[in-house]
Amino acid sequence: DAGVTQSPTHLIKTRGQHVTLRCSPISGHKSVSWYQQVLGQGPQFIFQYYEKEERGRGNFPDRFSARQFPNYSSELNVNALLLGDSALYLCASSLSLGGWYGYTFGSGTRLTVV
Amino acid sequence: GESVGLHLPTLSVQEGDNSIINCAYSNSASDYFIWYKQESGKGPQFIIDIRSNMDKRQGQRVTVLLNKTVKHLSLQIAATQPGDSAVYFCAENEETSYDKVIFGPGTSLSVIP
Repeated sequence: DAGVTQSPTHLIKTRGQHVTLRCSPISGHKSVSWYQQVLGQGPQFIFQYYEKEERGRGNFPDRFSARQFPNYSSELNVNALLLGDSALYLCASSLSLGGWYGYTFGSGTRLTVV
Repeated sequence: GESVGLHLPTLSVQEGDNSIINCAYSNSASDYFIWYKQESGKGPQFIIDIRSNMDKRQGQRVTVLLNKTVKHLSLQIAATQPGDSAVYFCAENEETSYDKVIFGPGTSLSVIP
């Protein structure tokens, strides 16, 4: 069975540009969460989506947005990129809310802003 | 704000020895605690979890201990193997309407052959 898949795996962008990251959850999983992991630190929660609705938001600026599609896949968008946005962006899926114990992470998208 | 942290950033152990990775948390209202393993180039992988109404839970070669009195969590790995080399994160789940998981900074475990 396919796990959580993220695309692209690596990305280089210039300051001020926009980026879209994509995530396909495990089949049957309806909840998708996004995390940012800066080098040398633990992942930080950005968003959670469930049944196409935002159910949680971390302490990130409005430049970060996301959405979930009817097939439960998700996109994370970041506008006006800053050098500090360089990080590994992780997507995690679970069956439903309250299913944190079933959280499965993808391998992430490595974003470098130059 | 609440946070989960680790005491040591790095840990080196001999192959075959037992490893103990420690973690301190600050939110006494947290209900669930999780240990994750992250290998280079991969996302965090679930190892073991424990609920706040328990003080010990065992898995295959791993044991998690929870001391709510001092808000301390530990992960014990028995007979550490080279494949155990990775960064280990403790994390907590907040009692909110969503599944926000708060990660600590991580401990890098190196296994010496």
